[in-house]
Amino acid sequence: GAVVSQHPSWVICKSGTSVKIECRSLDFQATTMFWYRQFPKQSLMLMATSNEGSKATYEQGVEKDKFLINHASLTLSTLTVTSAHPEDSSFYICSARERTGGGYTFGSGTRLTVV
Amino acid sequence: AQSVTQLGSHVSVSEGALVLLRCNYSSSVPPYLFWYVQYPNQGLQLLLKYTTGATLVKGINGFEAEFKKSETSFHLTKPSAHMSDAAEYFCAVTLGNNDMRFGAGTRLTVKP
Repeated sequence: GAVVSQHPSWVICKSGTSVKIECRSLDFQATTMFWYRQFPKQSLMLMATSNEGSKATYEQGVEKDKFLINHASLTLSTLTVTSAHPEDSSFYICSARERTGGGYTFGSGTRLTVV
Repeated sequence: AQSVTQLGSHVSVSEGALVLLRCNYSSSVPPYLFWYVQYPNQGLQLLLKYTTGATLVKGINGFEAEFKKSETSFHLTKPSAHMSDAAEYFCAVTLGNNDMRFGAGTRLTVKP
């Protein structure tokens, strides 16, 4: 079945630095990828939707300059948290969809801790 | 826009008992509905989904759900709970081409 690899699984960084999270579809081409954020004991909140080769569409309230999303190829999307602060600490999960109407496959998530 | 509401943030059952996790949806057009399970510090695993066709959907690990349009519901059930079923469960909805929206989640606890 479809597999999405998300890397790293966990990362600790200092305040003010930037962190990049990768999401790769291993055995299919992902025309659309989604990035979610999950706070402890809460649900997944959609941050942005990215289509290959075009700019990401951000949800209301998500700072596009802080959470940079790149979907340069059909198998890779990246989320860069710029100038990270402790309040950015969270669990980030990506999801990839193969084609319109296709199934959604989730990555295993990245635990970001900003100290 | 589509949305889902999960009734009950925490459900506790005894091992061997029936599991019932409730989900109601709101959508202006026929939705696609999903149930996912999440274990601590892990991603989401798809249990089952409804797109079109048969309204009773069978998934993995003995779970099933029934799409009831008249009740706008998609409740998840399992006849007999197992200790390994303890996890967080999320109901989700899409409108086919759109992004997926999640319910708040229900934590299932299974008592010995």
